[in-house]
Amino acid sequence: SYVLTQPPAVSVAPGQTASISCGGNNIGSKSVHWYQQRPGQAPVLVVYDDSDRPSGIPERFSGSNSGNTAILTIAGVEAGDEADYYCQVWGSNSDHYVFGTGTKVTVI
Amino acid sequence: QVQLVESGGGVVQPGESLRLSCAASGFNFHSYAMHWVRQAPGKGLEWVACIRYDGNNIYYEDSVKGRFTISRDNSKNTLFLQMNSLRTEDTGVYYCARESARYYYFDYWGQGALVTVSS
Repeated sequence: SYVLTQPPAVSVAPGQTASISCGGNNIGSKSVHWYQQRPGQAPVLVVYDDSDRPSGIPERFSGSNSGNTAILTIAGVEAGDEADYYCQVWGSNSDHYVFGTGTKVTVI
Repeated sequence: QVQLVESGGGVVQPGESLRLSCAASGFNFHSYAMHWVRQAPGKGLEWVACIRYDGNNIYYEDSVKGRFTISRDNSKNTLFLQMNSLRTEDTGVYYCARESARYYYFDYWGQGALVTVSS
């Protein structure tokens, strides 16, 4: 089955930029989606189709995808961005949906 | 506005059964694929099952295949997950999620239902 690997944790100072990687075999050929999950809450979609943002998501959230790595970038990090972030793809060969291992973003 | 409300969670012993429901509102339920996604305590998200808009195509994660059954009642805007032969490793929060009309990602989530399997 397809595996998505994320760093367990990323720390960033307020106002700085956080980059969260999502590694997978030839992931650049797939559409990657990103979710934010604050403690005790349901996940929220923050980026879809590699780099598009749903309405209501700040422009500070952006995404890119190429080769074997997709990246979620959060510019001008705020305290409210502290959360777990998950990447996700559709495993077209298996009709399965795959989540990354998750990254905890801490605002220091 | 889109709302997804899960119910039916609880505490059961290994080998027992439980049925989750997800009441949908605020959108044309019969037009969307729906999913169940779970999260074990302190762990990441795990996709569980999918049912296409008309119920004719259904997919399961390998560890639940043969034990869980996803279904829907489009006349009642409700999604179900029948969970049989439950194991301790099935413990977690179960989320109902809508698949976007653009396909292959989840644009709305419910608040989750807690399932605890313990002896």
